Amino acid sequence: QVQLAESGGGVVQPGRSLRLSCAASGFTLSSYAMHWVRQAPGKGLEWVAVISYDGSNEYYADSVKGRFTISRDISKNTLFLQMNTLRLEDTAMYYCARGAPDYWGQGTLVTVSS
Amino acid sequence: EIVLTQSPATLSLSPGERATLSCRASHSVSSYLAWYQQKPGQAPRLLMYDASNRATGIPARFSGSGSGTDFTLTISSLEPEDFAVYFCQQRSNWPYTFGQGTNLEIK
Repeated sequence: QVQLAESGGGVVQPGRSLRLSCAASGFTLSSYAMHWVRQAPGKGLEWVAVISYDGSNEYYADSVKGRFTISRDISKNTLFLQMNTLRLEDTAMYYCARGAPDYWGQGTLVTVSS
Repeated sequence: EIVLTQSPATLSLSPGERATLSCRASHSVSSYLAWYQQKPGQAPRLLMYDASNRATGIPARFSGSGSGTDFTLTISSLEPEDFAVYFCQQRSNWPYTFGQGTNLEIK
């Protein structure tokens, strides 16, 4: 049974950093591309970043390029999103998702506020 | 970046009626288009992938069609649990992009 469980969200001041985690079970990260997608309150979906199945490629939305880094720990079957220099507009629910994406986690809420 | 435009923004229908949702791409995405359903407080759920393939466990009343730049999601006979927001998404080019959503509401 495929499951994705995000954690690490919270309230943070502008300019600070936060690291999100996504624990995967029921499959191995090394077999799938993995994504972070976010959704600001009451808004639509915005794709944030992706890491290829073999970890050799990463792509980022322009809005986060240079500030966010996607990575993974295969031994722990966990995906990460390091978020630096956070801005007010980064406030959103952050979802990790597998593959196409087909499976999604339930999300972790990040609130950037002074 | 490929822009996806969904129409209508809101669709008001009654249970048992047929729903037709549209998604138009600014450039061809071939058949690399997916549809998601999202209910309040929940993560998106994959309905259709590669334009016309139903995801696992999705009822047959959901169907998708189209290729290139014009796509349609059809729900043949609405059930009460179908009222939700629907997003299209392309995976033809980086960055992947989503449409702004269609809110399917009960009339």
